Amino acid sequence: GAGVSQSPSNKVTEKGKDVELRCDPISGHTALYWYRQSLGQGLEFLIYFQGNSAPDKSGLPSDRFSAERTGGSVSTLTIQRTQQEDSAVYLCASSSRTGAYTGELFFGEGSRLTVL
Amino acid sequence: QQQVKQSPQSLIVQKGGISIINCAYENTAFDYFPWYQQFPGKGPALLIAIRPDVSEKKEGRFTISFNKSAKQFSLHIMDSQPGDSATYFCAARRSGAGSYQLTFGKGTKLSVIP
Repeated sequence: GAGVSQSPSNKVTEKGKDVELRCDPISGHTALYWYRQSLGQGLEFLIYFQGNSAPDKSGLPSDRFSAERTGGSVSTLTIQRTQQEDSAVYLCASSSRTGAYTGELFFGEGSRLTVL
Repeated sequence: QQQVKQSPQSLIVQKGGISIINCAYENTAFDYFPWYQQFPGKGPALLIAIRPDVSEKKEGRFTISFNKSAKQFSLHIMDSQPGDSATYFCAARRSGAGSYQLTFGKGTKLSVIP
């Protein structure tokens, strides 16, 4: 596709359930990010993938959060045993290798997660 | 600890007026400062960016002013239009290890009224 594609766009789940959020980056982009956007809190870095290098997981808030990137393309963010404080918009972004260092990120429209 | 402080949280400007959004930082390792624009229901999109060796950068109606000694930078939107109504995020990138990671401000919701 022309842009970063995320699914689902909306997800409502019950506390304690697991959820998976998917991101399909722009073709050819080697860098992929996950950010979390909570109301009034800006964008919080979660994880960064670059090519085949080990990901930077330093932003993941707890061990309930994990992410993988298969074949250097599609990425899945998994949240286990969801809590109400996990409710937020989860944004995926991709960039070229150069763009990752010049701050030129291309964001998807996000997956809005609501935990009841 | 918030590393990039953005103000105001919200802003209402008349059409044709000047919108000003301010950001401040403490970390002197920051070396690149992009601004992102986000419309409702959309992801943020890069608007304009500046390096600290430049005091001002202008692209159309959008201007970034940078004060390195004060560790402050601001976005000015001249002749603001209703179509500029969006949330604006300033960001900062640090040099060296981890320079791929942006630190964002909390955002400013701009409303331009006719």
